[in-house]
Amino acid sequence: EDQVTQSPEALRLQEGESSSLNCSYTVSGLRGLFWYRQDPGKGPEFLFTLYSAGEEKEKERLKATLTKKESFLHITAPKPEDSATYLCAAGPGGGADGLTFGKGTHLIIQP
Amino acid sequence: DTEVTQTPKHLVMGMTNKKSLKCEQHMGHRAMYWYKQKAKKPPELMFVYSYEKLSINESVPSRFSPECPNSSLLNLHLHALQPEDSALYLCASSQESWTAAPRDTQYFGPGTRLTVL
Repeated sequence: EDQVTQSPEALRLQEGESSSLNCSYTVSGLRGLFWYRQDPGKGPEFLFTLYSAGEEKEKERLKATLTKKESFLHITAPKPEDSATYLCAAGPGGGADGLTFGKGTHLIIQP
Repeated sequence: DTEVTQTPKHLVMGMTNKKSLKCEQHMGHRAMYWYKQKAKKPPELMFVYSYEKLSINESVPSRFSPECPNSSLLNLHLHALQPEDSALYLCASSQESWTAAPRDTQYFGPGTRLTVL
């Protein structure tokens, strides 16, 4: 069974305090590993797609990396506006065309 | 532009009501999806449409009825729902379904917050 596990469930940081979120996966025939950001009551906002081990992608204060078993979302010098739930998803899952999501990491950045 | 729009934003309905959720995208995407998300849980796939044909139905109760009138529009018809169906309903789209294009990204709409009384 395809599984995506994210840790920690919640993370509280001070503004400027860098950290990493973890996503481990067991998905047969992985086609892509996706990171989304979700604000309360809103739809997931696409951040990154990673396809192969060793791949890295960056956007502003965020950097995503991928190994054969896990992915990391590194947050450098975060700001309060980075507070959100970060979802990791792998495909295939939930049927041939769906995504299997992790439960997310709820990130709070305190000023 | 990667915008998926959904209406209404909020919907309150009784268990005997019939209502519909609407999703629209103008990116030329040929695959569209419905997900259900309960509070503090990840999204769960309900339906997948590829080229306006239903390709995946993840054992969803018949009180949920999807419809894809054209390549830009996706509806979810609701009838005789239960209070446990209250959730955020998310629509997503991608250029192609993964059976055709394994690297396509799914873009999500803002969701419809559904409350069943």
